[in-house]
Amino acid sequence: GAGVSQTPSNKVTEKGKYVELRCDPISGHTALYWYRQSLGQGPEFLIYFQGTGAADDSGLPNDRFFAVRPEGSVSTLKIQRTERGDSAVYLCASSLDPGQPQHFGDGTRLSIL
Amino acid sequence: GQNIDQPTEMTATEGAIVQINCTYQTSGFNGLFWYQQHAGEAPTFLSYNVLDGLEEKGRFSSFLSRSKGYSYLLLKELQMKDSASYLCAVGGDMRFGAGTRLTVKP
Repeated sequence: GAGVSQTPSNKVTEKGKYVELRCDPISGHTALYWYRQSLGQGPEFLIYFQGTGAADDSGLPNDRFFAVRPEGSVSTLKIQRTERGDSAVYLCASSLDPGQPQHFGDGTRLSIL
Repeated sequence: GQNIDQPTEMTATEGAIVQINCTYQTSGFNGLFWYQQHAGEAPTFLSYNVLDGLEEKGRFSSFLSRSKGYSYLLLKELQMKDSASYLCAVGGDMRFGAGTRLTVKP
């Protein structure tokens, strides 16, 4: 498909486990963003990439969260030692360039038991 | 830093006009974006302002005043399907406000 693809769509795991969330952006989009969203809230910015580099990672809540985009396309958000408070929908978006309209994936619903 | 404020909830009647306001403070400005998000779905892009003034797109219009740090989204001829959250976002790193939940009643 031509849209932003996120996998898995749902992830349920136990507290303390490690999880990886994947985002496959629209081909040719240089900017890629990760957000998390809790019920009734707006998307909370986590990190954004311009190409392979993290242009702004100031939204990552702590050092348990890490994201990579090694080839400037697919990105992986990694969460170590998960906590119940990490439960949320994790959204990925891409845009042609920073400051251009974003296209969102359907999100990964992460539930930490 | 950035601060983006929107009303939490609004209610309007089918066929009416509603204006959703957004005020912002940002250290860098690359444009102001409006997105629509239906419950359980991802946000979808509605409109974009980088210069002052009104941008019209069918039933939706968006206005920007950079000097005042203010924007609004105007929805005309409201339909039931317009019930959704409306999100304002600014900056090259695209920070979002908390969103305004609009309920359209018959």
